[in-house]
Amino acid sequence: EVQLVEAGGGFVQPGGSLRLSCVASGFTFNIYSMSWVRQAPGKGLEWVSTISGSGGNTYYADSVKGRFTISRDNSKNTVYLQLNSLRAEDTAIYYCTKDSYYFHFWGQGTLVTVSS
Amino acid sequence: EIVMTQSPATLSVSPGERATLSCRASQSISNNLAWYQQKPGQAPRLLISGASTRATAIPARFSGSGSGTEFTLTITSLQSEDFAVYYCQHYNTWPPRTFGQGTKVEIK
Repeated sequence: EVQLVEAGGGFVQPGGSLRLSCVASGFTFNIYSMSWVRQAPGKGLEWVSTISGSGGNTYYADSVKGRFTISRDNSKNTVYLQLNSLRAEDTAIYYCTKDSYYFHFWGQGTLVTVSS
Repeated sequence: EIVMTQSPATLSVSPGERATLSCRASQSISNNLAWYQQKPGQAPRLLISGASTRATAIPARFSGSGSGTEFTLTITSLQSEDFAVYYCQHYNTWPPRTFGQGTKVEIK
């Protein structure tokens, strides 16, 4: 059974930083791309970032490019999202997903709140 | 960027009836389209990929069709657990992969 468990969300002031993590199990982690998708309160879904299975290729939405960094540690079956220079509009639930071009499996999400 | 447009925004349906949800892409995406279901307080769940292939354990009352720019998700004989928000998402040329704004299926 595929499981994705996110952690690291919380309350942060504008300009601050957080690191989200997602531990995966139930599949061969290092052959799958992984992505983060977010959802602002009461809003729709927004793709944020993707990392290839090897970690050699990364992709970002324009809204987070230069501020967020995705990475992975295949020895720990874990994907990370470093969030820097946070803005109020980054407030959202951040979901970790197993990526097959579509988002095949989703974690339960971790809430990031950016507010002064 | 490919823009995905869903209609209607809200669909009121009685239990047991059929629901038809539409998704339009701003340019051709072949059949590179997925549908997701999201219930309140839960993460989204994959229903359909490749425009028409049901994900594992998805009931046969859910079906997807279309290609190019026009797509449809049909739910026959709506059950109580089907009242939710549904999103379409393309994965043709990317980044970015974009979602539609969602269709809420509510009880009539």
